[in-house]
Amino acid sequence: GAVVSQHPSRVICKSGTSVKIECRSLDFQATTMFWYRQFPKQSLMLMATSNEGSKATYEQGVEKDKFLINHASLTLSTLTVTSAHPEDSSFYICSAPRQGRYGYTFGSGTRLTVV
Amino acid sequence: GQQLNQSPQSMFIQEGEDVSMNCTSSSIFNTWLWYKQDPGEGPVLLIALYKAGELTSNGRLTAQFGITRKDSFLNISASIPSDVGIYFCAGQEDDMRFGAGTRLTVKP
Repeated sequence: GAVVSQHPSRVICKSGTSVKIECRSLDFQATTMFWYRQFPKQSLMLMATSNEGSKATYEQGVEKDKFLINHASLTLSTLTVTSAHPEDSSFYICSAPRQGRYGYTFGSGTRLTVV
Repeated sequence: GQQLNQSPQSMFIQEGEDVSMNCTSSSIFNTWLWYKQDPGEGPVLLIALYKAGELTSNGRLTAQFGITRKDSFLNISASIPSDVGIYFCAGQEDDMRFGAGTRLTVKP
């Protein structure tokens, strides 16, 4: 149980375009989801906390107009990278708290390459 | 967010050797967790520790929750090639904080 599905697993897009990444909780409801960014050989950096039915909470230094987060239902959160630039190329991972237990369940990640 | 202090950053070991890595923090946590991340994948939970002093095993993995609640270690015994990956510690209180990761390479 507590499976988080993330799509796409990898995407290549042109500079200036927008890319949407989806994170779904398959067998549980997630009122909160977290979005991370991971650079090569580095740890997970929390970007924002997605809250169902309300605005996301962004970490300091993360542009909310650049990384749009929508959590419209109890099972789906989306991260849209708008007007992507090559420096946005990274590995993006979502997670959700495990139901009734500590720890988070992670999605499988999305490798974004902006060319 | 503030990171935990995880060491070592990387390890290169021979198959069959034991591995030890640890995490320290200036903050107290109610829960310590250890995750493994394979290349191109999201982290997967290995062990969760809920009580100070708790020692928990999962196959060849053993982890302990420090008495002070500010540290934890993970041991892997008799390493095998598929142990390769990045291991992250995480401390959870109201939110979760991650260590920088230990990159493990196992030579056959």
